[in-house]
Amino acid sequence: EDKVVQSPLSLVVHEGDTVTLNCSYEVTNFRSLLWYKQEKKAPTFLFMLTSSGIEKKSGRLSSILDKKELFSILNITATQTGDSAIYLCAVDAGGTSYGKLTFGQGTILTVHP
Amino acid sequence: DAGVIQSPRHEVTEMGQEVTLRCKPISGHNSLFWYRQTMMRGLELLIYFNNNVPIDDSGMPEDRFSAKMPNASFSTLKIQPSEPRDSAVYFCASSRQIGQPQHFGDGTRLSIL
Repeated sequence: EDKVVQSPLSLVVHEGDTVTLNCSYEVTNFRSLLWYKQEKKAPTFLFMLTSSGIEKKSGRLSSILDKKELFSILNITATQTGDSAIYLCAVDAGGTSYGKLTFGQGTILTVHP
Repeated sequence: DAGVIQSPRHEVTEMGQEVTLRCKPISGHNSLFWYRQTMMRGLELLIYFNNNVPIDDSGMPEDRFSAKMPNASFSTLKIQPSEPRDSAVYFCASSRQIGQPQHFGDGTRLSIL
């Protein structure tokens, strides 16, 4: 069974801190890994990673994938209160499950002013 | 551009009643996904369609759940009869093609009394 595990489950920081969120996975095949941010409603797409070692970056957020060690990290620098959310990691296991995402349980990030 | 549109936003009904959730995917997207999110189990895929055809319904909990996609711009998820354990937030998501990032609607918060 495909499995995605995120850590930590929750994190409390102050504005300006840098955080690193972790996602490890065990899947039969691997096609891609995706990061989403969920505030009050819909998860919103952040990054999709398919290749090892290539960093994806958007403003203060960045992510990298290690396919050998089966994990990804999401970094947020100079955190702001608006970064408070649940961050979800998901894996597309490819093969006969192509397109089917398995989600981790999420990391709840709280940023205090 | 309009995102994924779900209705209703909230639904409260008594057990045993039929519930129908609706979804309009992003125009031009060929793949549509139904998810359920609970505190205990996180975000789980129920069923997904590609070009209006169901591809994988292995996540549908039992025969009380059914989903249809009669055309490219509309899908329904039906629960009949509903039970209190079906209470959750149900999300619909769409992607341009299978394997590309999925974009989520705001969800339907379902409460079965």
